[in-house]
Amino acid sequence: DIQMTQSPSSLSASVGDRVTITCRASQGISNSLAWYQQKPGKAPKLLLYAASRLESGVPSRFSGSGSGTDYTLTISSLQPEDFATYYCQQYYSTLLTFGGGTKVEIK
Amino acid sequence: QVQLVQSGAEVKKPGASVKVSCKASGYTFTGYYMHWVRQAPGQGLEWMGRINPNSGGTNYAQKFQGRVTMTRDTSISTAYMELSRLRSDDTAVYYCARASRAVAGTFGYWGQGTLVTVSS
Repeated sequence: DIQMTQSPSSLSASVGDRVTITCRASQGISNSLAWYQQKPGKAPKLLLYAASRLESGVPSRFSGSGSGTDYTLTISSLQPEDFATYYCQQYYSTLLTFGGGTKVEIK
Repeated sequence: QVQLVQSGAEVKKPGASVKVSCKASGYTFTGYYMHWVRQAPGQGLEWMGRINPNSGGTNYAQKFQGRVTMTRDTSISTAYMELSRLRSDDTAVYYCARASRAVAGTFGYWGQGTLVTVSS
């Protein structure tokens, strides 16, 4: 299976901060990467796919980049509603895998 | 609109089996893979496997091979996930999730989740 490693596992930030989360795959995944946001007690929400393509309805302050094995999710200006846990997920392989998650907390 | 409605919470004893259902509406059921993802309390997301509702073909994560069975009933647009030989560490919220329109391997639509508690 392809292993996905996210970092950091948690971070504290303030409203308006620029936040970057990284995700590393155990092998190249050719941009077959999605990012999700999950709030407590709720199902995850798809934010981006193909590493950098924004899902319909997702604010443009979210962006993604990367290639090969290394990918990043950036929130350009953190908003109060963005405090949540974020997960990366690869779909290069038929056997899908998620990263361990990054909890974004209020500083 | 796309809706995935799951069955209610379950409490099971170790060694038992549980079967969770996921009723789909708002789209052609046989047109999209259905996936199952679980989340233990305070933990991350774990993909369990998927079923092709058209053919019934399945792919399971290695961790669950031999313990999980995914099936579907196309006449009622419902997918099922059965997990056997339950252990305490199977306590989790189980989600069904449908592929997004854009990319087959991503999850654009989710059920509300079913809490399965395994306890003696």
